Amino acid sequence: DVKVTQSSRYLVKRTGEKVFLECVQDMDHENMFWYRQDPGLGLRLIYFSYDVKMKEKGDIPEGYSVSREKKERFSLILESASTNQTSMYLCASSLIAGGVTDTQYFGPGTRLTVL
Amino acid sequence: AQSVTQLGSHVSVSEGALVLLRCNYSSSVPPYLFWYVQYPNQGLQLLLKYTSAATLVKGINGFEAEFKKSETSFHLTKPSAHMSDAAEYFCAVSSSGGYNKLIFGAGTRLAVHP
Repeated sequence: DVKVTQSSRYLVKRTGEKVFLECVQDMDHENMFWYRQDPGLGLRLIYFSYDVKMKEKGDIPEGYSVSREKKERFSLILESASTNQTSMYLCASSLIAGGVTDTQYFGPGTRLTVL
Repeated sequence: AQSVTQLGSHVSVSEGALVLLRCNYSSSVPPYLFWYVQYPNQGLQLLLKYTSAATLVKGINGFEAEFKKSETSFHLTKPSAHMSDAAEYFCAVSSSGGYNKLIFGAGTRLAVHP
């Protein structure tokens, strides 16, 4: 079974702190994604990566950056956390770059609260 | 541009009743469509997907969905609800931008009552 793990289930940070969210997948997937999930808005794509060191902006990249130094690991960085970044963050991976029907496999999510 | 609309943010059914969750899409290219389910305190998992092979798609846990191009719909159904079906359900469409990106609807929370 594909496994996507996220470093924390719950995280509480202060405004202005630098925050790192880590995601690891164990199935050699090329694509990795970071979403945020908010009530009534569904999932919105922040960033994605289709290969090591390659990244593309999603629909809401402002205030975020990402890093992919190894194929299995994709990190989301909040350079200076703000209260409007309080949300559930979901990581996902999928097998083939450019495959439009590939299933995305999701991690359990990190619920981030910024005070 | 692609978009997904899920009608009804909350749906409540009795155990044993029909489940119907509605999804309408907008797409400038032939769409690939997905239903994902999120159980409490978990990530999303795939229920089923439409990839143009057959308009009626069967998924896990007794769910199925029918692609209707004329209605731009991909509604999710299950003949008989079970308590364990209580979850949030998301409809999604493949983005024309490639890279397996998905555009999600806002979600529908299904409650099942005894």
